[in-house]
Amino acid sequence: DGGITQSPKYLFRKEGQNVTLSCEQNLNHDAMYWYRQDPGQGLRLIYYSQIVNDFQKGDIAEGYSVSREKKESFPLTVTSAQKNPTAFYLCASRPAINTDTQYFGPGTRLTVL
Amino acid sequence: AQSVTQLDSHVSVSEGTPVLLRCNYSSSYSPSLFWYVQHPNKGLQLLLKYTSAATLVKGINGFEAEFKKSETSFHLTKPSAHMSDAAEYFCVVRVYGGSQGNLIFGKGTKLSVKP
Repeated sequence: DGGITQSPKYLFRKEGQNVTLSCEQNLNHDAMYWYRQDPGQGLRLIYYSQIVNDFQKGDIAEGYSVSREKKESFPLTVTSAQKNPTAFYLCASRPAINTDTQYFGPGTRLTVL
Repeated sequence: AQSVTQLDSHVSVSEGTPVLLRCNYSSSYSPSLFWYVQHPNKGLQLLLKYTSAATLVKGINGFEAEFKKSETSFHLTKPSAHMSDAAEYFCVVRVYGGSQGNLIFGKGTKLSVKP
């Protein structure tokens, strides 16, 4: 069953803790993306990766970090430096550099207590 | 630079009546435009996309959108709303240039469907 999986679906953390959100795809897509979604603000790009072992900052990268050691995996770490981390986080992937459609995972809702 | 503006944050229709969700875009290039749909607490699903082949684009679930260059618009329509259409809809434009392949999202339009 091909697709993009994100885990966990719901995540709670205490203030001051780092937390890592998982994103895995078995579509053999080259590019992967992390977005943050807040009510009424659409999706904002955090980080993206066009190929393995390379990634770029998006519009709101401060307080976040990523790695891309394997083609199928693109984990996102929300650090304690992120001032307002409570949000819905979406991972997406795109087949290749000359395509434009992105495919989305089901999302992880992070709540900071 | 590219951008999209969704003109309504919330649209409410009755079941069986037409749906119109409005989107204006700005792009220095011939744009690639998309509509995505998101049901509550779910990921986004592609409804349709425009990539210059035809100005009227048909998508899934009976939706379609018309690209109008003169009006810089890409409005989403459906002749008859169904209860299952209640969701949030995003108009999206592809970035050309530095961040090749990246997407810029509108702020979304929440569609409510009354019985």
